[in-house]
Amino acid sequence: AQSVTQLDSQVPVFEEAPVELRCNYSSSVSVYLFWYVQYPNQGLQLLLKYLSGSTLVKGINGFEAEFNKSQTSFHLRKPSVQISDTAEYFCAVTPQGAQKLVFGQGTRLTINP
Amino acid sequence: DAGVIQSPRHEVTEMGQEVTLRCKPISGHNSLFWYRQTMMRGLELLIYFNNNVPIDDSGMPEDRFSAKMPNASFSTLKIQPSEPRDSAVYFCASSLYEGLAATDTQYFGPGTRLTVL
Repeated sequence: AQSVTQLDSQVPVFEEAPVELRCNYSSSVSVYLFWYVQYPNQGLQLLLKYLSGSTLVKGINGFEAEFNKSQTSFHLRKPSVQISDTAEYFCAVTPQGAQKLVFGQGTRLTINP
Repeated sequence: DAGVIQSPRHEVTEMGQEVTLRCKPISGHNSLFWYRQTMMRGLELLIYFNNNVPIDDSGMPEDRFSAKMPNASFSTLKIQPSEPRDSAVYFCASSLYEGLAATDTQYFGPGTRLTVL
């Protein structure tokens, strides 16, 4: 079975500061990794995904994530956040070839002016 | 494309009543997922379908919950009878599953916020 741990439930950051949202996973098989974002009162939207190849993945809205197999981590980063990045961010994992996404508990990112 | 469409967006009902949530997946997608989101339990997969066939319903809480997909463009999630602990946001998502090489990006609908009094 797979599991995902998002180490921070809430992250407050000042506008234009860098941010890192942490995600660790557990799996006995190779996995695909995802970050989704949920803006208030909306469904989830894919930010980026890691399937294979380069461990640094770039996504939408200036976000990127790095897959670290030895540390079983997939941390999300942005060098300079904007007020509009205020949202909840979910890390998710699925075994390669499977369809069942397992989500972390989410990290609420709040950007302060 | 209109994206995944869910209805209603909000539903308030009384305990014991039947509730039916509806979902229209993205045209051409062959997989459909129902999720439930609560503060306590986060985002949980309830059931998913491939080509209209239920593949994994292990997340369905109990017999009060049932889901159907009569065709490729429509699915329902029914709760009968409803209970206050069923109050949550229910999301539908769809994807294009192409086997082992699938990227499995799931596209989510806006959700249905269910309140059971």
